Amino acid sequence: GENVGLHLPTLSVQEGDNSIINCAYSNSASDYFIWYKQESGKGPQFIIDIRSNMDKRQGQRVTVLLNKTVKHLSLQIAATQPGDSAVYFCAENRNGGFKTIFGAGTRLFVKA
Amino acid sequence: NAGVTQTPKFQVLKTGQSMTLQCAQDMNHNSMYWYRQDPGMGLRLIYYSASEGTTDKGEVPNGYNVSRLNKREFSLRLESAAPSQTSVYFCASSTQGEETQYFGPGTRLLVL
Repeated sequence: GENVGLHLPTLSVQEGDNSIINCAYSNSASDYFIWYKQESGKGPQFIIDIRSNMDKRQGQRVTVLLNKTVKHLSLQIAATQPGDSAVYFCAENRNGGFKTIFGAGTRLFVKA
Repeated sequence: NAGVTQTPKFQVLKTGQSMTLQCAQDMNHNSMYWYRQDPGMGLRLIYYSASEGTTDKGEVPNGYNVSRLNKREFSLRLESAAPSQTSVYFCASSTQGEETQYFGPGTRLLVL
């Protein structure tokens, strides 16, 4: 797992730059992956998902890359904006089960 | 369409007191979930309800009970609160197991 205790990994980027947030998932049998965004004081919000039969999926300003060989997931945010400042979680699911596993999260700071 | 709503938003309890956290969704989702989130950590599943009339344990069920009152409502009960249960509790719902989960705003619980 990615339990890092009280200190989340932090990424600080300049407004307008691209951001890349990385995640190592735990179960090689996982076949569905999701990125969530959590703003301060709010619940997590779905950003984008990808299934294991894909390597890349694009949304609006976001791209998710999946490397099953090394069990690695990344979220790329293009032209990062101040509103993108939040904690980002990756999550994995296996065989349509109900027990989605969430990573500890990465805090993204966007400098104006 | 309010999505997922939770009450209360904030609660302070003394050790040994009991309380019930309420959750409701208006998206006609089959599945509902209760998570807890501790500082610097990802979400951990307490209990889930795959469909109306069923409930199952998640990763950290000890000290909690749940009731799926109907398709819309899923409550979480702490029978005898302990300081270790100080956390932020999130309710979520989804169409079915692996699909995107929609989260409520959370309940912040402090047990003294």
